[in-house]
Amino acid sequence: GAVVSQHPSWVICKSGTSVKIECRSLDFQATTMFWYRQFPKQSLMLMATSNEGSKATYEQGVEKDKFLINHASLTLSTLTVTSAHPEDSSFYICSALTLTRAYEQYFGPGTRLTVT
Amino acid sequence: AQRVTQPEKLLSVFKGAPVELKCNYSYSGSPELFWYVQYSRQRLQLLLRHISRESIKGFTADLNKGETSFHLKKPFAQEEDSAMYYCALKDTGTASKLTFGTGTRLQVTL
Repeated sequence: GAVVSQHPSWVICKSGTSVKIECRSLDFQATTMFWYRQFPKQSLMLMATSNEGSKATYEQGVEKDKFLINHASLTLSTLTVTSAHPEDSSFYICSALTLTRAYEQYFGPGTRLTVT
Repeated sequence: AQRVTQPEKLLSVFKGAPVELKCNYSYSGSPELFWYVQYSRQRLQLLLRHISRESIKGFTADLNKGETSFHLKKPFAQEEDSAMYYCALKDTGTASKLTFGTGTRLQVTL
Protein backbone atom coordinates (compact mmCIF):
# COMPACT_ATOMS: atom_id res chain seq x y z
CA GLY A 1 0.00 0.00 0.00
CA ALA A 2 0.80 3.74 -0.04
CA VAL A 3 2.06 3.93 -3.61
CA VAL A 4 2.79 7.24 -5.27
CA SER A 5 3.18 7.52 -9.01
CA GLN A 6 4.51 10.29 -11.20
CA HIS A 7 3.91 10.95 -14.85
CA PRO A 8 5.82 11.32 -17.02
CA SER A 9 8.97 9.66 -15.78
CA TRP A 10 11.07 11.55 -18.29
CA VAL A 11 10.29 14.57 -20.43
CA ILE A 12 12.26 16.68 -22.86
CA CYS A 13 10.89 20.07 -23.82
CA LYS A 14 12.06 23.10 -25.72
CA SER A 15 13.05 26.30 -23.99
CA GLY A 16 10.06 28.58 -23.53
CA THR A 17 7.44 25.85 -23.39
CA SER A 18 5.56 24.61 -20.34
CA VAL A 19 5.48 21.11 -19.00
CA LYS A 20 3.13 19.49 -16.50
CA ILE A 21 4.13 16.74 -14.08
CA GLU A 22 1.50 14.69 -12.29
CA CYS A 23 1.78 13.12 -8.86
CA ARG A 24 -0.85 10.59 -7.84
CA SER A 25 -1.48 8.65 -4.68
CA LEU A 26 -2.74 5.35 -6.05
CA ASP A 27 -4.25 3.61 -3.07
CA PHE A 28 -4.72 6.28 -0.44
CA GLN A 29 -5.90 9.82 0.00
CA ALA A 30 -3.29 12.48 0.50
CA THR A 31 -4.31 15.82 1.91
CA THR A 32 -0.71 16.97 1.71
CA MET A 33 1.81 16.45 -1.04
CA PHE A 34 5.31 17.83 -1.37
CA TRP A 35 7.38 18.74 -4.41
CA TYR A 36 11.14 18.42 -4.35
CA ARG A 37 13.88 19.17 -6.77
CA GLN A 38 17.09 17.20 -6.93
CA PHE A 39 20.19 18.22 -8.84
CA PRO A 40 22.71 15.55 -9.84
CA LYS A 41 24.54 14.11 -6.86
CA GLN A 42 22.83 16.58 -4.54
CA SER A 43 20.15 16.33 -1.94
CA LEU A 44 16.43 16.82 -2.28
CA MET A 45 15.39 20.42 -1.94
CA LEU A 46 11.82 21.11 -0.94
CA MET A 47 10.10 23.42 -3.39
CA ALA A 48 6.57 23.60 -2.06
CA THR A 49 3.91 22.00 0.08
CA SER A 50 0.66 21.26 -1.66
CA ASN A 51 -2.58 20.97 0.27
CA GLU A 52 -5.78 19.74 -1.31
CA GLY A 53 -8.19 22.53 -2.05
CA SER A 54 -5.88 25.37 -1.09
CA LYS A 55 -2.95 27.29 -2.46
CA ALA A 56 0.46 25.74 -2.26
CA THR A 57 3.04 27.03 0.17
CA TYR A 58 6.34 27.73 -1.54
CA GLU A 59 9.75 27.65 0.02
CA GLN A 60 11.88 30.76 0.02
CA GLY A 61 13.51 31.38 -3.32
CA VAL A 62 11.06 29.29 -5.34
CA GLU A 63 9.20 31.28 -7.97
CA LYS A 64 5.47 30.76 -7.59
CA ASP A 65 4.68 31.96 -11.09
CA LYS A 66 7.20 29.66 -12.63
CA PHE A 67 6.36 26.51 -10.73
CA LEU A 68 2.58 26.29 -10.63
CA ILE A 69 1.18 23.71 -8.25
CA ASN A 70 -2.38 22.50 -8.23
CA HIS A 71 -3.79 19.98 -5.76
CA ALA A 72 -7.30 19.55 -7.09
CA SER A 73 -8.17 16.26 -5.46
CA LEU A 74 -7.08 14.04 -2.62
CA THR A 75 -5.14 11.84 -5.02
CA LEU A 76 -3.63 14.24 -7.52
CA SER A 77 -1.20 17.13 -7.42
CA THR A 78 0.37 18.69 -10.50
CA LEU A 79 3.49 20.75 -10.98
CA THR A 80 3.66 22.89 -14.10
CA VAL A 81 6.99 24.37 -15.06
CA THR A 82 6.11 27.42 -17.10
CA SER A 83 8.33 28.96 -19.75
CA ALA A 84 10.98 26.38 -19.04
CA HIS A 85 14.65 27.19 -19.45
CA PRO A 86 17.69 24.91 -19.49
CA GLU A 87 18.44 25.79 -15.86
CA ASP A 88 15.10 24.20 -14.91
CA SER A 89 16.45 20.85 -16.05
CA SER A 90 16.41 18.66 -12.99
CA PHE A 91 14.87 15.67 -11.28
CA TYR A 92 11.51 16.50 -9.73
CA ILE A 93 10.16 14.26 -6.98
CA CYS A 94 6.84 14.35 -5.21
CA SER A 95 5.80 12.78 -1.95
CA ALA A 96 2.53 12.35 -0.11
CA LEU A 97 1.37 12.03 3.44
CA THR A 98 -1.25 9.52 4.42
CA LEU A 99 -3.84 10.37 6.99
CA THR A 100 -3.09 7.29 9.06
CA ARG A 101 0.71 7.58 9.14
CA ALA A 102 1.15 11.31 8.94
CA TYR A 103 4.80 11.17 9.95
CA GLU A 104 5.86 9.23 6.87
CA GLN A 105 6.21 10.70 3.41
CA TYR A 106 5.73 8.26 0.54
CA PHE A 107 7.80 9.21 -2.46
CA GLY A 108 7.13 9.00 -6.14
CA PRO A 109 9.77 7.66 -8.53
CA GLY A 110 10.62 11.11 -9.83
CA THR A 111 10.44 12.88 -13.19
CA ARG A 112 13.52 13.86 -15.10
CA LEU A 113 13.02 17.12 -16.97
CA THR A 114 15.43 18.15 -19.69
CA VAL A 115 14.97 21.55 -21.29
CA THR A 116 16.78 22.05 -24.56
CA ALA B 1 17.02 27.56 10.43
CA GLN B 2 17.11 23.81 10.62
CA ARG B 3 19.95 21.99 8.97
CA VAL B 4 21.05 18.41 8.45
CA THR B 5 24.67 17.56 7.78
CA GLN B 6 26.00 14.30 6.41
CA PRO B 7 29.75 14.77 6.21
CA GLU B 8 30.56 11.76 4.05
CA LYS B 9 29.51 11.59 0.41
CA LEU B 10 30.78 8.04 0.05
CA LEU B 11 31.41 5.32 2.57
CA SER B 12 32.99 2.14 1.32
CA VAL B 13 33.14 -0.89 3.59
CA PHE B 14 33.78 -4.59 3.22
CA LYS B 15 31.02 -7.12 3.63
CA GLY B 16 30.73 -8.08 7.27
CA ALA B 17 32.34 -4.88 8.52
CA PRO B 18 30.50 -2.46 10.80
CA VAL B 19 28.83 0.55 9.26
CA GLU B 20 28.26 4.00 10.69
CA LEU B 21 26.69 6.72 8.58
CA LYS B 22 27.01 10.06 10.28
CA CYS B 23 24.27 12.65 10.61
CA ASN B 24 24.30 15.88 12.59
CA TYR B 25 21.49 18.36 12.83
CA SER B 26 20.68 21.81 14.05
CA TYR B 27 17.15 22.60 15.17
CA SER B 28 15.80 24.94 17.77
CA GLY B 29 12.97 22.72 18.95
CA SER B 30 12.60 19.06 19.77
CA PRO B 31 13.71 17.22 16.63
CA GLU B 32 12.06 14.35 14.87
CA LEU B 33 14.62 12.53 12.76
CA PHE B 34 14.48 9.93 10.04
CA TRP B 35 16.71 7.89 7.82
CA TYR B 36 15.57 7.37 4.24
CA VAL B 37 17.21 4.96 1.80
CA GLN B 38 17.28 4.89 -1.98
CA TYR B 39 18.38 1.67 -3.63
CA SER B 40 19.60 1.73 -7.20
CA ARG B 41 16.83 2.71 -9.62
CA GLN B 42 14.25 2.76 -6.85
CA ARG B 43 12.39 5.50 -5.10
CA LEU B 44 13.23 6.98 -1.75
CA GLN B 45 11.76 5.03 1.15
CA LEU B 46 11.69 5.35 4.89
CA LEU B 47 14.23 3.19 6.70
CA LEU B 48 13.62 4.21 10.28
CA ARG B 49 12.59 7.03 12.57
CA HIS B 50 14.05 7.85 15.93
CA ILE B 51 10.75 7.81 17.79
CA SER B 52 10.05 4.18 17.01
CA ARG B 53 13.48 3.02 18.18
CA GLU B 54 13.22 0.06 15.83
CA SER B 55 15.89 -1.96 14.13
CA ILE B 56 15.15 -2.23 10.43
CA LYS B 57 17.23 -4.53 8.23
CA GLY B 58 19.75 -4.62 11.07
CA PHE B 59 20.13 -0.84 11.13
CA THR B 60 19.67 1.24 14.26
CA ALA B 61 20.00 4.93 14.97
CA ASP B 62 20.05 6.68 18.31
CA LEU B 63 19.24 10.31 18.77
CA ASN B 64 21.93 12.05 20.81
CA LYS B 65 20.62 15.47 21.71
CA GLY B 66 23.84 16.47 23.45
CA GLU B 67 25.86 15.90 20.31
CA THR B 68 22.93 16.76 18.00
CA SER B 69 23.58 13.56 16.11
CA PHE B 70 21.53 10.72 14.67
CA HIS B 71 24.09 8.31 13.28
CA LEU B 72 22.94 5.17 11.45
CA LYS B 73 24.67 1.97 12.43
CA LYS B 74 24.79 -1.66 11.44
CA PRO B 75 27.16 -4.19 12.97
CA PHE B 76 27.72 -6.29 9.84
CA ALA B 77 27.31 -4.80 6.38
CA GLN B 78 25.69 -6.81 3.60
CA GLU B 79 26.00 -6.31 -0.14
CA GLU B 80 22.33 -5.47 -0.39
CA ASP B 81 22.89 -2.52 1.94
CA SER B 82 24.63 -0.66 -0.87
CA ALA B 83 22.45 2.39 -1.49
CA MET B 84 22.11 6.11 -0.96
CA TYR B 85 21.17 7.05 2.58
CA TYR B 86 19.59 10.36 3.54
CA CYS B 87 19.15 11.71 7.03
CA ALA B 88 16.11 13.96 7.38
CA LEU B 89 14.66 16.23 10.02
CA LYS B 90 10.95 16.88 10.24
CA ASP B 91 9.43 20.22 11.00
CA THR B 92 7.29 19.51 14.04
CA GLY B 93 4.88 22.23 13.08
CA THR B 94 1.77 21.58 11.09
CA ALA B 95 3.61 21.60 7.78
CA SER B 96 5.40 18.25 8.38
CA LYS B 97 8.16 19.35 6.06
CA LEU B 98 11.38 17.39 5.80
CA THR B 99 14.85 18.84 5.54
CA PHE B 100 17.27 16.37 3.99
CA GLY B 101 20.98 16.01 4.34
CA THR B 102 23.11 15.71 1.24
CA GLY B 103 23.18 11.94 1.48
CA THR B 104 25.86 9.31 1.86
CA ARG B 105 26.43 6.58 -0.65
CA LEU B 106 27.20 3.31 1.08
CA GLN B 107 29.18 0.87 -0.99
CA VAL B 108 29.60 -2.62 0.39
CA THR B 109 32.24 -4.67 -1.34
CA LEU B 110 33.28 -8.30 -1.06
